[in-house]
Amino acid sequence: DIVMTQSPLSLPVTPGEPASISCRSSQSLLLSNGYNCLDWYLQKPGQSPQLLIYLGSNRASGVPDRFSGSGSGTDFTLKISRVEAEDVGIYYCMQVLQAPLTFGGGTKVEVK
Amino acid sequence: EVHLLESGGDLVQPGGSLRLSCAASGFTFSSHDMRWVRQAPGKGLEWISSISSSGETTYYADSVKGRFTISRDNSKNTLYLQMNTLRAEDTAVYFCARRSSDRASDYWGQGTLVTVSS
Repeated sequence: DIVMTQSPLSLPVTPGEPASISCRSSQSLLLSNGYNCLDWYLQKPGQSPQLLIYLGSNRASGVPDRFSGSGSGTDFTLKISRVEAEDVGIYYCMQVLQAPLTFGGGTKVEVK
Repeated sequence: EVHLLESGGDLVQPGGSLRLSCAASGFTFSSHDMRWVRQAPGKGLEWISSISSSGETTYYADSVKGRFTISRDNSKNTLYLQMNTLRAEDTAVYFCARRSSDRASDYWGQGTLVTVSS
């Protein structure tokens, strides 16, 4: 199984400041077509998860452009250019290369 | 508008059974693979099962293999999860999610709570 490791576990942020979350996979998620099978989700308090980024770096429909995904192979990063209060919640990376699909442990983003 | 609505969650005794449903609307259900993901209280997300658009191919996490069965009825736009021999560790909110053409889970339901306890 592919193990997904996120860091940090908790991320206190100041509104208006940037934030960054790391995700590492135990094996490469890179396809021969150049896409990485890595998604990012945000679960806001009391809500279902919502898709932010797919295939490593593609913003999902309706996701603000302050969110960006980067990385390739086994190392990935989710960046928020300027954090807003509505961005609080738990962020998860997920590999969709092969079954069993696996999630990172989550990063809790809180406003300072 | 895409909408997924889970139902069937309940309090059940260890060893018992339960069937969850996920009613889909707003898209061509028969064209999309579907997934079940669960979240134990205060814990992270865990993928547990996927099914192809036709229903012919299924996948399971080791934690539920042999006890849970995923299925679908494309004529009713409904996804199912039959859960047998339930254990306390199966207590969780169960979400259904649509798999997009880019492999992502692009739409999620609101979840249904399953509690396994005596």
